Amino acid sequence: GEDVEQSLFLSVREGDSSVINCTYTDSSSTYLYWYKQEPGAGLQLLTYIFSNMDMKQDQRLTVLLNKKDKHLSLRIADTQTGDSAIYFCAEKRRRTGGFKTIFGAGTRLFVKA
Amino acid sequence: GAVVSQHPSWVICKSGTSVKIECRSLDFQATTMFWYRQFPKQSLMLMATSNEGSKATYEQGVEKDKFLINHASLTLSTLTVTSAHPEDSSFYICSAVTGGDQPQHFGDGTRLSIL
Repeated sequence: GEDVEQSLFLSVREGDSSVINCTYTDSSSTYLYWYKQEPGAGLQLLTYIFSNMDMKQDQRLTVLLNKKDKHLSLRIADTQTGDSAIYFCAEKRRRTGGFKTIFGAGTRLFVKA
Repeated sequence: GAVVSQHPSWVICKSGTSVKIECRSLDFQATTMFWYRQFPKQSLMLMATSNEGSKATYEQGVEKDKFLINHASLTLSTLTVTSAHPEDSSFYICSAVTGGDQPQHFGDGTRLSIL
């Protein structure tokens, strides 16, 4: 199918690490993205990884890519209450005439103080 | 950098009205802009892809005559919801890219409520 799958909800305590998982379907996808959406707002690009990379670290964010299993994860270290939001995984697929970005349903992260 | 501005952020209007939403790339030129629709607690649904100076490419099931898209310049795309009805109420989000392999940058969305 075309779906990008994510768990719908994750709850962690402030200061703990959060790990949000995602599986995608197209092994030829070139880029994989993580976006953050706060209530009533658009999507903010957090980080992205090219498909020939295994890992990317950016401050508190670590992205791991297992291309064999088509599995992507986002780890947020030292999670803060301000990290509470919906996190979308997305894959960029080539198609005739261009490309299309497919989004997962989003993981709602709730951080308890 | 890579700021996308969307206007208005919220609009309420009567059934039968046409509503125009603007999407601007403020600090870069966008060769391609995308329009999405998001229902509550759901993911983004791509409506159409818009390239500057050419007709938009609509996704299957999206009515071209209902959702008019114009991409007249490298920094502006507009979505007009024509003769809007309550079922058109939704959150509409645009995004823009500078080139094929660049990530999309999103506007803050427009909440459309049709009474």
